[in-house]
Amino acid sequence: GAVVSQHPSRVICKSGTSVKIECRSLDFQATTMFWYRQFPKKSLMLMATSNEGSKATYEQGVEKDKFLINHASLTLSTLTVTSAHPEDSSFYICSARSAGEGTEAFFGQGTRLTVV
Amino acid sequence: QKEVEQNSGPLSVPEGAIASLNCTYSDRGSQSFFWYRQYSGKSPELIMSIYSNGDKEDGRFTAQLNKASQYVSLLIRDSQPSDSATYLCAVMPGGYQKVTFGIGTKLQVIP
Repeated sequence: GAVVSQHPSRVICKSGTSVKIECRSLDFQATTMFWYRQFPKKSLMLMATSNEGSKATYEQGVEKDKFLINHASLTLSTLTVTSAHPEDSSFYICSARSAGEGTEAFFGQGTRLTVV
Repeated sequence: QKEVEQNSGPLSVPEGAIASLNCTYSDRGSQSFFWYRQYSGKSPELIMSIYSNGDKEDGRFTAQLNKASQYVSLLIRDSQPSDSATYLCAVMPGGYQKVTFGIGTKLQVIP
């Protein structure tokens, strides 16, 4: 399958600081990228969908000013958690898919964020 | 009604047996269906995709789709302890980009 690289895999930050997570498609052009959040023993919760060159579409209840998403190129999307608080601690996962209906989405390795 | 429903399990099967994982979905217009495997603390890994009614086989894995009954299943033959993981069913409606995931079924293969 296609390769999606997510970085960093783990990050610990202090409350009030911002953290940027990168998601790169290594061997295909990702017209669409998705950002998920997953709590322990829970399913994936879609946060937002981003298309290259346009603003991200956020799911209901997700603060767009807190979770800034940029999809500046066909191979890179970033999620910035601004003014992080302990309740933002979670497992964040990106996935990417290329153009075309029905094509599979491939996941990055995920980022374990801990806010202290 | 949840969009994609799965039994959370755990489903326990002995090593060498067939594990059967089931998933139902509510959107009759759904066109694309996926099974992902997720190990604890890791991100999901795509196992199978299926788009038309019937069976699709890949090694020890067989995906089955029945659009009339709105269910999709995954069979794992000759289950191995390394298959122990949570299996996520994902559904994508036609014309949409968003994939909806089920809660996942935890599979335990007992040696």
